[in-house]
Amino acid sequence: DTGVSQNPRHKITKRGQNVTFRCDPISEHNRLYWYRQTLGQGPEFLTYFQNEAQLEKSRLLSDRFSAERPKGSFSTLEIQRTEQGDSAMYLCASSLARGTGVEQYFGPGTRLTVT
Amino acid sequence: GNSVTQMEGPVTLSEEAFLTINCTYTATGYPSLFWYVQYPGEGLQLLLKATKADDKGSNKGFEATYRKETTSFHLEKGSVQVSDSAVYFCALSSSGGAQKLVFGQGTRLTINP
Repeated sequence: DTGVSQNPRHKITKRGQNVTFRCDPISEHNRLYWYRQTLGQGPEFLTYFQNEAQLEKSRLLSDRFSAERPKGSFSTLEIQRTEQGDSAMYLCASSLARGTGVEQYFGPGTRLTVT
Repeated sequence: GNSVTQMEGPVTLSEEAFLTINCTYTATGYPSLFWYVQYPGEGLQLLLKATKADDKGSNKGFEATYRKETTSFHLEKGSVQVSDSAVYFCALSSSGGAQKLVFGQGTRLTINP
């Protein structure tokens, strides 16, 4: 068990550019979540996959955001035409669907700075 | 919708002091409750959880009891250490569907030797 990994760890981009983040979950986990955390706040849910199917998206996820999880393994989160308000820590978590109260395992996050 | 309210920080204590961080929630149905911790430079990790009313979660000397009547899940530790310095997040997840986590805003705890 190597844990959840995320790449890159840091990304600085200019406003208007596109960025893509990658998340590699724990290998046997079928659920994958993306959250966004701004300074001084708790993480906020963005979207959720069960295997390769994207089953829920938050209203925080505007049309500029898209996420994929091909083949139910790693996931990517793309932000098009970045804005300064997109600056945040983007967190990925994974879990194994098994009843209620299941622990989500978090990656270290990707910190995005939009200049 | 579901929400979590945490005691505002930062909280600063001396080593061996008693710790309480308050957490209350609003939710429909029967959520599961969690405390996650984020140590400096590290990712979020689960500290403890409780999945039904009156359950007590415990780990590393920390405890929290799921109180449905007061919709609370307060975190306590009898004697804190410098190594407990971190940001603590209370969270809930619904019993069905995505079971996404809804977090409080976090409480930064600093323990002085």
